[in-house]
Amino acid sequence: DQQVKQNSPSLSVQEGRISILNCDYTNSMFDYFLWYKKYPAEGPTFLISISSIKDKNEDGRFTVFLNKSAKHLSLHIVPSQPGDSAVYFCAASAPNFGNEKLTFGTGTRLTIIP
Amino acid sequence: NAGVMQNPRHLVRRRGQEARLRCSPMKGHSHVYWYRQLPEEGLKFMVYLQKENIIDESGMPKERFSAEFPKEGPSILRIQQVVRGDSAAYFCASSPTDRVRTEAFFGQGTRLTVV
Repeated sequence: DQQVKQNSPSLSVQEGRISILNCDYTNSMFDYFLWYKKYPAEGPTFLISISSIKDKNEDGRFTVFLNKSAKHLSLHIVPSQPGDSAVYFCAASAPNFGNEKLTFGTGTRLTIIP
Repeated sequence: NAGVMQNPRHLVRRRGQEARLRCSPMKGHSHVYWYRQLPEEGLKFMVYLQKENIIDESGMPKERFSAEFPKEGPSILRIQQVVRGDSAAYFCASSPTDRVRTEAFFGQGTRLTVV
């Protein structure tokens, strides 16, 4: 069972425009959500996170929105830059003292078109 | 995340051989998580270890797979009698505490190919 879903395998966006990546989850116990960026042949790199007590978190060009009632979160990148081309993974974690393992989505490949 | 060292970066094994993957956590990190990424899929949790202890191995296949994190040296993920379905990228993440969701860094991964 896929508890974290990224339904768009790929997304192409013009440079300078907004990129919106979506993620849905099914486990209502998840209370912490993260986005990772991954380049080919490299490990995932943490990008931004949000706790379930918030509905928005912003860090420079990156903003994550959380809609708990819809069990949906999105990552907005604005303006998009060529270096943003990568695979983006959504991940979630449930509160579990001493064991905060992450559940990942399948990823969305973002291509920024110059 | 360059601080988490995984080796080898690429590993080719014939069916039936053993694969041994190493993860050296960042300095001061005593918590290690292993994840596997099958082709076209996301990362799947395999096992969580602290020094000399396995905390959670619920994501690890019951047979052929084992993991350890000794007091000295790297964490090792061992796959015995490999099969083609074991071909994947294996990533480890290390953390200074059990707060992995806020403090973990991933290594660059080991790409295992079984021929």
